[in-house]
Amino acid sequence: SQQGEEDPQALSIQEGENATMNCSYKTSINNLQWYRQNSGRGLVHLILIRSNEREKHSGRLRVTLDTSKKSSSLLITASRAADTASYFCATDVTGANNLFFGTGTRLTVIP
Amino acid sequence: SAVISQKPSRDICQRGTSLTIQCQVDSQVTMMFWYRQQPGQSLTLIATANQGSEATYESGFVIDKFPISRPNLTFSTLTVSNMSPEDSSIYLCSVEVFWDRENIQYFGAGTRLSVL
Repeated sequence: SQQGEEDPQALSIQEGENATMNCSYKTSINNLQWYRQNSGRGLVHLILIRSNEREKHSGRLRVTLDTSKKSSSLLITASRAADTASYFCATDVTGANNLFFGTGTRLTVIP
Repeated sequence: SAVISQKPSRDICQRGTSLTIQCQVDSQVTMMFWYRQQPGQSLTLIATANQGSEATYESGFVIDKFPISRPNLTFSTLTVSNMSPEDSSIYLCSVEVFWDRENIQYFGAGTRLSVL
């Protein structure tokens, strides 16, 4: 399976703290993307990092990519209760026409 | 970006019946995807639907069970046929959009299906 693995599966933090979630994958990629899903609704694209990039920022989000370890991390700084959601990494795999989604991390931010 | 309208948002169906899910996009797109997400799980790709050609199904999914139509560049349907309780899931459509030299996906809000 080309599906990515994420850890932790679930994460609970206090509002204001930082949240870090990790994604590991198995094959060569063109890019890696992070998506957010609220309560079983549709997914929302958050950020994309290309295979030749090592770090990227967007607002309170920071993504890193280590292609030698085939891993990525998503950091959400100064978390808010509204950040409570499931977060999925998705890999754009070389030679494939679709994205492969990870297993997801369920984040709960306690007010 | 793309705005996707997916209908119905939820349904409760009887075993043995069929349900057709509609996905409407506000712009013309080439690639559309249908996913299944079982409770607490990740997304599993059912099929890729390109306009003007037959849908391409992933391993474990067949056209007789999940027929797909793609009549134009803004619309697609997925039918879940002869349903059983095991088909209870969230079904999601998405479209691929070329943005900043990369392809990203935009998703509909999903259809939450319960089969009794």
